[in-house]
Amino acid sequence: QQQVKQSPQSLIVQKGGISIINCAYENTAFDYFPWYQQFPGKGPALLIAIRPDVSEKKEGRFTISFNKSAKQFSLHIMDSQPGDSATYFCAAVTGGGNKLTFGTGTQLKVEL
Amino acid sequence: SAVISQKPSRDICQRGTSLTIQCQVDSQVTMMFWYRQQPGQSLTLIATANQGSEATYESGFVIDKFPISRPNLTFSTLTVSNMSPEDSSIYLCSVTDSNYGYTFGSGTRLTVV
Repeated sequence: QQQVKQSPQSLIVQKGGISIINCAYENTAFDYFPWYQQFPGKGPALLIAIRPDVSEKKEGRFTISFNKSAKQFSLHIMDSQPGDSATYFCAAVTGGGNKLTFGTGTQLKVEL
Repeated sequence: SAVISQKPSRDICQRGTSLTIQCQVDSQVTMMFWYRQQPGQSLTLIATANQGSEATYESGFVIDKFPISRPNLTFSTLTVSNMSPEDSSIYLCSVTDSNYGYTFGSGTRLTVV
């Protein structure tokens, strides 16, 4: 059973545009929500993360929006660049931080 | 954050054979994790490896197929046993610090022919 649902599966954005990836979860025991960026041939790398007591977190061009009541969170990439082309995974961690549950992934392509 | 060295980076193996993947961390960590990522798919946790105890396997993964060793706080191995083409995947190790930070190795790309 997929505990973290992610959409869209793939996304094409023009350079300078906004990329938006959405995730939804069911397990209310999740208390930490990271986003990972993965380039071909590499392992996932932490991009940004949020806890459910915060509605938004911004780091540079990357912003997480979190809606606890709806059990949804999203990643916004502002001013998207070709170098942002990668696969993005949302994830969730239960209390105790001992297990990551990944979303299905979004393949982002930023075109010139 | 920790730096992980994973070996080999890729391998092509004959069906019926076994491959052992090594994961070396540059600092002592309590928990190490092994994941499988099938082509174009998400990551699925295989097992959690704690030093001094047997690994804990997720549903669908068994010790006979994926034996794990964790001899100390900086090293772990995952063996993929009696391989079949369905085992062709990327295998990644991961570690976590006490602040929910997870770091991943670059992965081992396994092709079984």
